[in-house]
Amino acid sequence: QVQLVESGGGVVQPGRSLRLSCAASGFTFGTYTMHWVRQAPGKGLEWVALISYDGDKKYYADSVKGRFTISRDNSKNTLYLQLNSLRPEDTAMFYCARAMGGGYFYGSDYWGQGTLVTVSS
Amino acid sequence: DIQLTQSPSFLSASVGDRVTITCRASQGISSYLAWYQQKPGKAPKLLIYAASTLQSGVPSRFSGSGSGTEFTLTISSLQPEDFATYYCQQLNSYPSFGGGTKVEIK
Repeated sequence: QVQLVESGGGVVQPGRSLRLSCAASGFTFGTYTMHWVRQAPGKGLEWVALISYDGDKKYYADSVKGRFTISRDNSKNTLYLQLNSLRPEDTAMFYCARAMGGGYFYGSDYWGQGTLVTVSS
Repeated sequence: DIQLTQSPSFLSASVGDRVTITCRASQGISSYLAWYQQKPGKAPKLLIYAASTLQSGVPSRFSGSGSGTEFTLTISSLQPEDFATYYCQQLNSYPSFGGGTKVEIK
Protein backbone atom coordinates (compact mmCIF):
# COMPACT_ATOMS: atom_id res chain seq x y z
CA GLN A 1 0.00 0.00 0.00
CA VAL A 2 1.09 3.58 -0.58
CA GLN A 3 2.90 5.10 2.37
CA LEU A 4 4.50 8.48 2.92
CA VAL A 5 6.43 8.98 6.14
CA GLU A 6 7.84 12.40 7.03
CA SER A 7 10.67 12.99 9.45
CA GLY A 8 13.15 15.67 10.44
CA GLY A 9 10.89 18.11 12.26
CA GLY A 10 11.74 19.58 15.64
CA VAL A 11 12.35 22.76 17.58
CA VAL A 12 14.80 25.18 15.98
CA GLN A 13 15.86 28.76 16.68
CA PRO A 14 14.99 31.59 14.29
CA GLY A 15 17.53 31.92 11.50
CA ARG A 16 18.61 28.28 11.70
CA SER A 17 18.06 25.46 9.22
CA LEU A 18 16.33 22.09 9.11
CA ARG A 19 15.93 19.36 6.51
CA LEU A 20 12.71 17.41 6.25
CA SER A 21 12.48 14.01 4.59
CA CYS A 22 9.55 12.04 3.22
CA ALA A 23 10.12 8.32 2.65
CA ALA A 24 7.81 6.86 0.02
CA SER A 25 6.83 3.23 -0.48
CA GLY A 26 4.17 1.14 -2.19
CA PHE A 27 4.33 2.92 -5.55
CA THR A 28 6.81 3.88 -8.27
CA PHE A 29 8.05 7.07 -6.63
CA GLY A 30 10.07 8.25 -9.61
CA THR A 31 6.96 8.65 -11.78
CA TYR A 32 5.01 11.06 -9.55
CA THR A 33 5.13 14.78 -8.92
CA MET A 34 5.34 15.47 -5.17
CA HIS A 35 4.25 18.38 -2.97
CA TRP A 36 5.02 19.84 0.43
CA VAL A 37 2.07 21.45 2.21
CA ARG A 38 2.12 23.04 5.65
CA GLN A 39 -0.42 23.95 8.29
CA ALA A 40 0.29 26.41 11.10
CA PRO A 41 -1.32 25.50 14.44
CA GLY A 42 -5.07 26.15 14.25
CA LYS A 43 -4.80 27.53 10.70
CA GLY A 44 -5.59 26.39 7.19
CA LEU A 45 -3.54 24.53 4.62
CA GLU A 46 -0.77 26.32 2.73
CA TRP A 47 0.90 24.87 -0.33
CA VAL A 48 4.69 25.20 -0.02
CA ALA A 49 6.43 23.62 -3.01
CA LEU A 50 6.24 20.96 -5.69
CA ILE A 51 8.79 18.99 -7.70
CA SER A 52 8.24 17.14 -10.94
CA TYR A 53 8.74 13.38 -11.17
CA ASP A 54 12.29 13.79 -12.51
CA GLY A 55 13.27 16.76 -10.35
CA ASP A 56 13.55 19.08 -13.34
CA LYS A 57 10.72 21.43 -12.38
CA LYS A 58 10.42 23.02 -8.96
CA TYR A 59 7.90 25.63 -7.88
CA TYR A 60 7.58 27.49 -4.59
CA ALA A 61 5.07 29.61 -2.72
CA ASP A 62 6.16 33.25 -2.51
CA SER A 63 6.31 32.97 1.29
CA VAL A 64 9.19 30.47 1.12
CA LYS A 65 10.91 31.30 -2.17
CA GLY A 66 14.63 31.78 -1.68
CA ARG A 67 14.60 30.15 1.77
CA PHE A 68 13.24 26.63 1.16
CA THR A 69 14.51 24.10 -1.38
CA ILE A 70 12.64 21.02 -2.54
CA SER A 71 14.56 18.04 -3.91
CA ARG A 72 14.20 14.32 -4.40
CA ASP A 73 16.32 11.19 -4.69
CA ASN A 74 14.43 8.69 -6.82
CA SER A 75 17.02 5.99 -6.11
CA LYS A 76 16.13 6.27 -2.41
CA ASN A 77 12.39 6.91 -2.89
CA THR A 78 12.76 10.02 -0.79
CA LEU A 79 11.53 13.61 -1.02
CA TYR A 80 13.28 16.42 0.84
CA LEU A 81 12.61 19.98 1.93
CA GLN A 82 15.54 22.10 3.06
CA LEU A 83 14.36 24.92 5.31
CA ASN A 84 16.81 27.82 5.74
CA SER A 85 16.54 31.17 7.50
CA LEU A 86 13.61 29.91 9.53
CA ARG A 87 11.18 32.38 11.05
CA PRO A 88 8.64 31.97 13.86
CA GLU A 89 5.87 32.16 11.26
CA ASP A 90 7.23 28.98 9.65
CA THR A 91 6.03 27.03 12.68
CA ALA A 92 3.72 24.40 11.23
CA MET A 93 2.98 20.78 10.55
CA PHE A 94 4.63 19.91 7.23
CA TYR A 95 3.00 17.26 5.05
CA CYS A 96 4.33 15.58 1.93
CA ALA A 97 1.72 14.58 -0.61
CA ARG A 98 1.64 12.65 -3.88
CA ALA A 99 0.15 14.39 -6.91
CA MET A 100 -2.44 12.30 -8.69
CA GLY A 101 -1.96 11.27 -12.29
CA GLY A 102 0.49 12.90 -14.63
CA GLY A 103 1.61 16.38 -13.68
CA TYR A 104 -0.10 17.98 -10.69
CA PHE A 105 -3.47 19.15 -12.00
CA TYR A 106 -5.75 16.74 -10.14
CA GLY A 107 -4.92 17.13 -6.48
CA SER A 108 -3.06 14.91 -4.02
CA ASP A 109 -4.37 11.43 -3.35
CA TYR A 110 -1.92 10.32 -0.65
CA TRP A 111 -0.54 12.30 2.27
CA GLY A 112 1.91 11.56 5.03
CA GLN A 113 1.08 11.99 8.71
CA GLY A 114 3.15 15.17 8.93
CA THR A 115 6.21 16.35 10.82
CA LEU A 116 6.06 19.33 13.16
CA VAL A 117 8.48 22.23 12.83
CA THR A 118 8.58 24.73 15.68
CA VAL A 119 10.66 27.88 15.28
CA SER A 120 11.28 29.50 18.63
CA SER A 121 14.08 31.02 20.62
CA ASP B 1 -1.32 34.41 -7.78
CA ILE B 2 -4.79 32.88 -7.76
CA GLN B 3 -6.79 33.44 -4.58
CA LEU B 4 -9.55 31.08 -3.47
CA THR B 5 -12.38 32.32 -1.27
CA GLN B 6 -14.47 29.73 0.50
CA SER B 7 -17.86 30.44 2.01
CA PRO B 8 -19.09 30.06 4.58
CA SER B 9 -16.02 29.73 6.81
CA PHE B 10 -18.17 28.07 9.47
CA LEU B 11 -21.31 26.01 9.11
CA SER B 12 -23.55 24.49 11.75
CA ALA B 13 -25.74 21.65 10.50
CA SER B 14 -27.65 18.57 11.61
CA VAL B 15 -27.31 14.94 10.57
CA GLY B 16 -29.33 14.44 7.40
CA ASP B 17 -29.00 18.06 6.22
CA ARG B 18 -27.97 18.96 2.70
CA VAL B 19 -24.83 21.10 2.89
CA THR B 20 -23.27 23.27 0.18
CA ILE B 21 -19.85 24.93 0.34
CA THR B 22 -18.74 27.46 -2.26
CA CYS B 23 -15.25 28.17 -3.53
CA ARG B 24 -14.61 31.21 -5.73
CA ALA B 25 -11.37 31.75 -7.66
CA SER B 26 -9.92 35.20 -8.35
CA GLN B 27 -9.46 34.19 -11.99
CA GLY B 28 -10.55 31.34 -14.19
CA ILE B 29 -9.06 27.94 -13.36
CA SER B 30 -10.98 25.76 -15.83
CA SER B 31 -11.82 22.61 -13.85
CA TYR B 32 -8.51 22.30 -12.01
CA LEU B 33 -10.06 22.23 -8.57
CA ALA B 34 -9.92 19.64 -5.81
CA TRP B 35 -11.80 19.31 -2.52
CA TYR B 36 -10.39 17.82 0.70
CA GLN B 37 -11.77 16.83 4.06
CA GLN B 38 -9.61 17.20 7.16
CA LYS B 39 -10.36 15.95 10.66
CA PRO B 40 -8.48 17.21 13.74
CA GLY B 41 -4.97 15.80 14.00
CA LYS B 42 -5.20 14.07 10.64
CA ALA B 43 -3.87 14.69 7.14
CA PRO B 44 -6.29 15.96 4.50
CA LYS B 45 -8.24 13.42 2.47
CA LEU B 46 -9.00 13.94 -1.22
CA LEU B 47 -12.74 13.89 -1.94
CA ILE B 48 -13.17 15.39 -5.41
CA TYR B 49 -10.76 16.20 -8.24
CA ALA B 50 -11.19 17.92 -11.60
CA ALA B 51 -14.04 19.85 -9.95
CA SER B 52 -16.58 17.04 -10.16
CA THR B 53 -14.89 13.62 -10.19
CA LEU B 54 -15.39 11.58 -7.04
CA GLN B 55 -12.19 10.06 -5.70
CA SER B 56 -12.26 6.28 -5.38
CA GLY B 57 -13.76 5.11 -2.08
CA VAL B 58 -15.48 8.41 -1.28
CA PRO B 59 -19.22 8.07 -0.53
CA SER B 60 -21.58 9.18 -3.28
CA ARG B 61 -23.29 11.71 -0.96
CA PHE B 62 -20.33 13.97 -1.81
CA SER B 63 -20.47 15.78 -5.14
CA GLY B 64 -18.70 18.68 -6.78
CA SER B 65 -19.64 21.05 -9.56
CA GLY B 66 -18.51 24.19 -11.32
CA SER B 67 -15.88 25.48 -13.68
CA GLY B 68 -14.10 28.75 -14.35
CA THR B 69 -14.33 30.76 -11.13
CA GLU B 70 -17.20 29.30 -9.11
CA PHE B 71 -17.32 25.83 -7.59
CA THR B 72 -19.44 23.99 -5.04
CA LEU B 73 -19.06 20.96 -2.84
CA THR B 74 -22.36 19.39 -1.80
CA ILE B 75 -23.01 16.77 0.84
CA SER B 76 -26.47 15.45 0.09
CA SER B 77 -27.22 14.03 3.55
CA LEU B 78 -24.75 14.91 6.29
CA GLN B 79 -23.52 11.95 8.31
CA PRO B 80 -21.86 12.03 11.77
CA GLU B 81 -18.47 11.22 10.24
CA ASP B 82 -18.72 14.25 7.91
CA PHE B 83 -18.20 16.82 10.65
CA ALA B 84 -14.79 18.17 9.66
CA THR B 85 -13.09 21.04 7.87
CA TYR B 86 -13.26 21.19 4.09
CA TYR B 87 -10.75 22.88 1.77
CA CYS B 88 -10.73 23.62 -1.92
CA GLN B 89 -7.45 23.70 -3.86
CA GLN B 90 -6.79 25.12 -7.30
CA LEU B 91 -4.16 23.51 -9.52
CA ASN B 92 -4.41 25.65 -12.63
CA SER B 93 -1.22 27.49 -11.77
CA TYR B 94 0.96 27.44 -8.67
CA PRO B 95 -1.37 25.55 -6.31
CA SER B 96 -3.25 27.32 -3.54
CA PHE B 97 -5.91 26.45 -0.98
CA GLY B 98 -9.06 28.15 0.14
CA GLY B 99 -9.34 29.24 3.75
CA GLY B 100 -11.46 26.26 4.79
CA THR B 101 -15.03 25.63 5.94
CA LYS B 102 -15.57 24.05 9.33
CA VAL B 103 -18.74 21.95 9.51
CA GLU B 104 -19.96 21.49 13.05
CA ILE B 105 -22.88 19.70 14.66
CA LYS B 106 -25.94 21.87 15.29
